[in-house]
Amino acid sequence: AQSVTQPDIHITVSEGASLELRCNYSYGATPYLFWYVQSPGQGLQLLLKYFSGDTLVQGIKGFEAEFKRSQSSFNLRKPSVHWSDAAEYFCAVGASSYGKLTFGQGTILTVHP
Amino acid sequence: DGGITQSPKYLFRKEGQNVTLSCEQNLNHDAMYWYRQDPGQGLRLIYYSQIVNDFQKGDIAEGYSVSREKKESFPLTVTSAQKNPTAFYLCASSIGEIPNRNEQFFGPGTRLTVL
Repeated sequence: AQSVTQPDIHITVSEGASLELRCNYSYGATPYLFWYVQSPGQGLQLLLKYFSGDTLVQGIKGFEAEFKRSQSSFNLRKPSVHWSDAAEYFCAVGASSYGKLTFGQGTILTVHP
Repeated sequence: DGGITQSPKYLFRKEGQNVTLSCEQNLNHDAMYWYRQDPGQGLRLIYYSQIVNDFQKGDIAEGYSVSREKKESFPLTVTSAQKNPTAFYLCASSIGEIPNRNEQFFGPGTRLTVL
């Protein structure tokens, strides 16, 4: 069975600082990996995805993530955080056979001015 | 604009009542999904449907039912058998082909509160 772990429940950074959100997954085959962002009371928006190929993927809003098979990780990064990035972030792994996504528990990002 | 709509945004229910949450998509997606979100628990899959007139249970299907009579619509009924239904419910859809089947697009959600 697939699983996703986001070790950090809550992260606080200052505006302009760099950000890294951690994600570790467990899945027997080639994973399909995703990062979503959710503002309070809203649905989820896809930031970026990894299916195959280049292990460094670029997403929207200046985010990027790196797939490291040896570490079973797919960490999300941003070089300079903006106050509007404050939200909850979810990592997810997909099962190729029927599209089921398994989500991590989420990381809440707070941005200080 | 293409997208997923969920209605209502807020829903209140008395204990013992069934309630149906609406989900409609105009993205021409084959697959649709229902998730439940509780604080600190991420999203958990309730039901999913890959094609019309077919659906499968997810990880937490007990106390819920669905139908898929039209490609665009995937309503979720929360029955009185669901012991703790207060939660935020999210509907999603994706195209049918691998690997993009895994890339899901989400609606804005319905917050259900049982009084």
